Amino acid sequence: RKEVEQDPGPFNVPEGATVAFNCTYSNSASQSFFWYRQDCRKEPKLLMSVYSSGNEDGRFTAQLNRASQYISLLIRDSKLSDSATYLCVVLTGNQFYFGTGTSLTVIP
Amino acid sequence: SQTIHQWPATLVQPVGSPLSLECTVEGTSNPNLYWYRQAAGRGLQLLFYSVGIGQISSEVPQNLSASRPQDRQFILSSKKLLLSDSGFYLCAWSKGYLNLDTQYFGPGTRLTVL
Repeated sequence: RKEVEQDPGPFNVPEGATVAFNCTYSNSASQSFFWYRQDCRKEPKLLMSVYSSGNEDGRFTAQLNRASQYISLLIRDSKLSDSATYLCVVLTGNQFYFGTGTSLTVIP
Repeated sequence: SQTIHQWPATLVQPVGSPLSLECTVEGTSNPNLYWYRQAAGRGLQLLFYSVGIGQISSEVPQNLSASRPQDRQFILSSKKLLLSDSGFYLCAWSKGYLNLDTQYFGPGTRLTVL
């Protein structure tokens, strides 16, 4: 079983739409969780950490459910510039485990 | 602030040739360092990680090796490249704080083996 699993998409949504990405992880001992964004042919960049109480950064909201080992990312009011691949990342011990990413295209 | 550098940015090499990719981190000390490979359209594959000078852990058996000759320098090498070594090579660092760690990536090296 993979450490981190994501729906690869692609998600094609119109500007202004709300879109949600989900991710599951297999190790209940995992201690930290993140969403990264990767633009085409670029390096992944940290979008936000995910805290147990849930956290919000502008149009982005991240949620963590430790009991279900489930992480989510909600993007409201999608912009064209949100088009990218979104990677779910889990830290277990001193190793980071990456999902394969979910592709998002925001359409005008 | 911390910065991470990788070079070269792109590289085209023939099969059987050697490889050396370099990564350096500035603005921090004793970071954890990582090498990943991303094949076209695929996820990140961890190749090596290091928690200190001379300490290298290999995740995947293959014809690549890594070295950490200095605290903030991480080198990925191969004696003879294979076609399957083509990909996007990313170096990353983290502070190594067990419960508060975050990983930051360099700009990557795009390697094409012909």
